[in-house]
Amino acid sequence: GAGVSQSPSNKVTEKGKDVELRCDPISGHTALYWYRQSLGQGLEFLIYFQGNSAPDKSGLPSDRFSAERTGGSVSTLTIQRTQQEDSAVYLCASSRGTHNYGYTFGSGTRLTVV
Amino acid sequence: AQSVTQPDIHITVSEGASLELRCNYSYGATPYLFWYVQSPGQGLQLLLKYFSGDTLVQGIKGFEAEFKRSQSSFNLRKPSVHWSDAAEYFCAVNDGGSQGNLIFGKGTKLSVKP
Repeated sequence: GAGVSQSPSNKVTEKGKDVELRCDPISGHTALYWYRQSLGQGLEFLIYFQGNSAPDKSGLPSDRFSAERTGGSVSTLTIQRTQQEDSAVYLCASSRGTHNYGYTFGSGTRLTVV
Repeated sequence: AQSVTQPDIHITVSEGASLELRCNYSYGATPYLFWYVQSPGQGLQLLLKYFSGDTLVQGIKGFEAEFKRSQSSFNLRKPSVHWSDAAEYFCAVNDGGSQGNLIFGKGTKLSVKP
């Protein structure tokens, strides 16, 4: 597509429920990144994909977080047993490669855990 | 470890006035540096980037930034601010790895007075 598409744009969920966040990167972009943006915390790196592989999962805050990417395209970030501290904006970005072309970001998913 | 500092959390300027947003980085080698802008409810948009060469970089929307190695700075400037420039601005540096991860500053919120 023309840009990075994220869905849903907003999600309100009850504490303890699982959520799935979706990212559809720009066609042909091999690198895909997930970041979390919390109030006053800036952008926190979560995970990176090159193709379907995730060589770096070091940013995932706990084992409740997981992500996958299929067909070198769409990625889903899953948060199990959500907690209130998971409330944040989750941003996805894609890039032609890893040589610092600069990311293109999606508009994000605002997650609120109540 | 690489880091980015944006010393100003919030800046207010009058429309038509000049703007300078500060960014200092910590990086052992030649950095790749970026400025992004985020309007409310939107993702981040790349304004400009520096990889090498001319230390004065031109970007979109009339912005420019100057890389000063001696000061470890990459300040963003605009000669005349428009009301539509009100947004949050993020400076970022590559993390030194091969994955293209970026380390972001905590952002500077720009307000524009009429």
